[in-house]
Amino acid sequence: GEDVEQSLFLSVREGDSSVINCTYTDSSSTYLYWYKQEPGAGLQLLTYIFSNMDMKQDQRLTVLLNKKDKHLSLRIADTQTGDSAIYFCAENSQAGTALIFGKGTTLSVSS
Amino acid sequence: GAGVSQSPSNKVTEKGKDVELRCDPISGHTALYWYRQSLGQGLEFLIYFQGNSAPDKSGLPSDRFSAERTGGSVSTLTIQRTQQEDSAVYLCASSLKRGYEQYFGPGTRLTVT
Repeated sequence: GEDVEQSLFLSVREGDSSVINCTYTDSSSTYLYWYKQEPGAGLQLLTYIFSNMDMKQDQRLTVLLNKKDKHLSLRIADTQTGDSAIYFCAENSQAGTALIFGKGTTLSVSS
Repeated sequence: GAGVSQSPSNKVTEKGKDVELRCDPISGHTALYWYRQSLGQGLEFLIYFQGNSAPDKSGLPSDRFSAERTGGSVSTLTIQRTQQEDSAVYLCASSLKRGYEQYFGPGTRLTVT
């Protein structure tokens, strides 16, 4: 079945780069997504990548996609304390009617 | 423009009562989704609406859960005879159409006592 896996925790120092990794199972997903959730808030769409792309850069964010290995990563450059949150990787379900989410990676940034 | 809005933001109810949760999608978005977020289960898909098509109800956990979308806009998720395991944050999302990026509302935190 469809499944998305992420490591649960990442701790970095302010100013360092953060890399959050994700593996997925459904190779037919047209897009792959990264969402951010701050405490007590909903999900904020951070960025997404079309499945025929290898890389997408958006300011401090870089998304890398390895379709062969079904591996997706999110790199945050110059990580700030405001980046502390839970980051979710998601793919479209085969029917395209839902997002399948990983369990989320809690990013902790220390100053 | 305005994002997805949900009401109420918090709801405390007694076990056995019925609750209604409301979602207002982004104007012009034809697709609407409900998800549930709980500590043990993570983010789970509940139901999907697309225009006037029959909804995809495959994620609803039991027949106590139902949802409707009136006039292709506002949606209501109803939980009948609430149980303690229904306690969770219920998130609504909308997208321009199926398969497009989904934008989420702030959620309704439901606590069943």
